[in-house]
Amino acid sequence: KNQVEQSPQSLIILEGKNCTLQCNYTVSPFSNLRWYKQDTGRGPVSLTIMTFSENTKSNGRYTATLDADTKQSSLHITASQLSDSASYICVVTYSGTYKYIFGTGTRLKVLA
Amino acid sequence: GAVVSQHPSWVICKSGTSVKIECRSLDFQATTMFWYRQFPKQSLMLMATSNEGSKATYEQGVEKDKFLINHASLTLSTLTVTSAHPEDSSFYICSAPNDRGGRATQYFGPGTRLLVL
Repeated sequence: KNQVEQSPQSLIILEGKNCTLQCNYTVSPFSNLRWYKQDTGRGPVSLTIMTFSENTKSNGRYTATLDADTKQSSLHITASQLSDSASYICVVTYSGTYKYIFGTGTRLKVLA
Repeated sequence: GAVVSQHPSWVICKSGTSVKIECRSLDFQATTMFWYRQFPKQSLMLMATSNEGSKATYEQGVEKDKFLINHASLTLSTLTVTSAHPEDSSFYICSAPNDRGGRATQYFGPGTRLLVL
């Protein structure tokens, strides 16, 4: 079964600290993996996208990694800010299609 | 670029009425658009795929007569929730795919929050 699982479900950290979110997937055939940030009451916004051959991608303070052999990805957030409080969703795409398989999401709360 | 808008951003209606939500791709054309529903603290659930010039494709368990989809042009898809009931209250999000950079990416609208009283 094609699934995308994320951990932890929720996370609370202090402002300025780093954190890492995990994503495991079983989607096949794999096309690419994306991380999205979704603020409460808003649509998801793309942070990174990685294909099979890419194992790291950065976007400012966000760094995503991909291990296609173990089918695992992580999103590392450096020097967290209050505005990082949001849900982070890992999304995997089938090869040859636009259809997304969504992860369950990680709700991050950054405290002052 | 690759902006998707939704209208309205929120709507409150009485039970039994119909509500129309618009999804527009502002700076690109989209022959396909997706409609999602999201309940609190849950991930997005795909409801249907909207196809310009043909019928929408609905996911299993989604009533096509209740959620009417019309893809009127290459930049507009509408979702009509017919005879809305309180259990239809949810956050509805559309997306439109675009091949910019050679990577099929869905660009999401800001969402429409529906509250049925």
